[in-house]
Amino acid sequence: GAVVSQHPSWVICKSGTSVKIECRSLDFQATTMFWYRQFPKQSLMLMATSNEGSKATYEQGVEKDKFLINHASLTLSTLTVTSAHPEDSSFYICSAEGGGAGEMEQYFGPGTRLTVT
Amino acid sequence: QKEVEQDPGPLSVPEGAIVSLNCTYSNSAFQYFMWYRQYSRKGPELLMYTYSSGNKEDGRFTAQVDKSSKYISLFIRDSQPSDSATYLCAMKVGAGRRALTFGSGTRLQVQP
Repeated sequence: GAVVSQHPSWVICKSGTSVKIECRSLDFQATTMFWYRQFPKQSLMLMATSNEGSKATYEQGVEKDKFLINHASLTLSTLTVTSAHPEDSSFYICSAEGGGAGEMEQYFGPGTRLTVT
Repeated sequence: QKEVEQDPGPLSVPEGAIVSLNCTYSNSAFQYFMWYRQYSRKGPELLMYTYSSGNKEDGRFTAQVDKSSKYISLFIRDSQPSDSATYLCAMKVGAGRRALTFGSGTRLQVQP
């Protein structure tokens, strides 16, 4: 199956600093990637849709100036959490569609655990 | 009301049992249905993918979709302790690159 990687796998940062998370499709091209956030024992909540070469589409309630998304190439999307606060601590997961036989399967990265102190 | 409802469990079964996991949904426009397995502190792993109504089997796993009832199921035969994880149903409207709508996940524990 298709492989999606994320880096870093975990990060601890101080309140007020910015953190960048990378999402890469390793063996297929992904014109669209998705960013989700997951709190403990809860399901995945879509934050934004990242489109290669254009602006991301954010879900209602997600601050676009706080969660900056850049989709610079067909294999890389980045999420930057700016001026992080403790309430931003969460598990951030990206996904990309494609690479499967039917081109409909969506594959997830291993996630990035962010802790803001 | 959530678009996708899923019993959070936990569901505890003995090794070798048949496990039934279910989701109901309210949006009749959903056409693509998936089941993911998520181990603690890991990203979801795609298990099964089904288009529209019907059954699909892959080894010990069987996915069923009943669009008339807005009800999907995942059956696991001969369950193993390694199947212990959270199982998430997910679905989306139409083809194309769209985000998934997830259920809340059911935590499964298979006792050896």
